[in-house]
Parts: sequence; structure tokens; C-alpha cells
Amino acid sequence: GENVEQHPSTLSVQEGDSAVIKCTYSDSASNYFPWYKQELGKGPQLIIDIRSNVGEKKDQRIAVTLNKTAKHFSLHITETQPEDSAVYFCAVYSYGKLTFGQGTILTVHP
Amino acid sequence: DGGITQSPKYLFRKEGQNVTLSCEQNLNHDAMYWYRQDPGQGLRLIYYSQIVNDFQKGDIAEGYSVSREKKESFPLTVTSAQKNPTAFYLCASSLAGEDTQYFGPGTRLTVL
Repeated sequence: GENVEQHPSTLSVQEGDSAVIKCTYSDSASNYFPWYKQELGKGPQLIIDIRSNVGEKKDQRIAVTLNKTAKHFSLHITETQPEDSAVYFCAVYSYGKLTFGQGTILTVHP
Repeated sequence: DGGITQSPKYLFRKEGQNVTLSCEQNLNHDAMYWYRQDPGQGLRLIYYSQIVNDFQKGDIAEGYSVSREKKESFPLTVTSAQKNPTAFYLCASSLAGEDTQYFGPGTRLTVL
């Protein structure tokens, strides 16, 4: 089955800095790559996604880049704010199922 | 107000008891999913259903059971055979054939 590795497991930044989270996957047939944000005690919320025919997608302060050859994709958050503090999960879709990374705890210090 | 609801938010049970977690959606989604989340880990798929009256095992189905009698509902039963049931349980749904999944708020189950 699909294997997804996510790094780093924790990330601490100052308000206004950028944050980058990376995920690698194993199945070259995977074609959909969403990112979720999970606040404490709540369900994950989809924040951005990318499909295999696109290399980059941006939505205001967040962007995702995909390198299909190397089988990795990254979440970029610019101008971080304290409300960006949460756990972020990447996921990979293949053969009808989503496989999730282990999560990154992002802390943005004011 | 469309969305996915899970109830209750917190659930406490004694060891050896079966317990059923509720998941309801009014998004008219065909597919529904159950995931388990443990501290410091990603989400792991328990069961999923693409259509009413049909469901498939996920990666960690042992000790769990589901039913899909209505399109809107996908209850999960945690049986006494589940060795370590204490966890945060998440329900999700998607349109048929679509890869984007949307999650409910979760139920935290604690077995005492």
C-alpha cells in the first residue's frame, strides 16, 4: 500500500515568518494530494489540495507544490499568524483511499 | 446548515462494553468513511462505504463493525474485541467517485 512520510513533526516559527512542511509518498499512481489543518479537539479541515497534472497551487497565504518525479509535495505558509497554529496533515489518494502523514504541529509565536 | 455531525463529542465506556458512534451527513454524499486518530499519529482508515448497503474494511477493521442502511448515516460500533479502543474517531464523507473528503468534528472515546 501507499506509504506517506511527513516532516518535520514539530515546527516553531515567529509571527510573520514562513513555514514549510514536506511529504513524500511511495506510489507513483497517486494523483491527488490534499492538506488538512486540525485545531485542538476538532476534525481536520481541508485547506488546499493539488492534483497530479499541476505543479503548484496558491490560495492567499498558502501554497502547495508537487514534484511527481521525486514523489514529494510541500505546504508553504507565508506571513504566518498565531491563528495558523495547529496540526497539519498531508494525505495521498490512490486506489480509492486516502493515506495520511503523521502530522506536523505548527506553533506560531507572536 | 449542511455538514457532517458526530455524536456524542465525548463518550466514556467500561471495558468489555460495545459502544456505537453516530455519524450523519446532509451533504448528499454517497461515500462515508471512519478513521481512528491516536496522539502523535496520522489518521488510519477503519471502514468505508461507497454506497448504501455496502461497505469495505480499511486498514484497521479488527474489533469494529459498521452498517450503511441509509445514505445519510454510517454508525460505527466499537466492540469488546477491540484491544485498545480509547482514541479520537473521525467520520468523513465524499461524493461518489470524488477524492476530496470532508470531516466531521470527531468523537473522543475513553474506555475505563
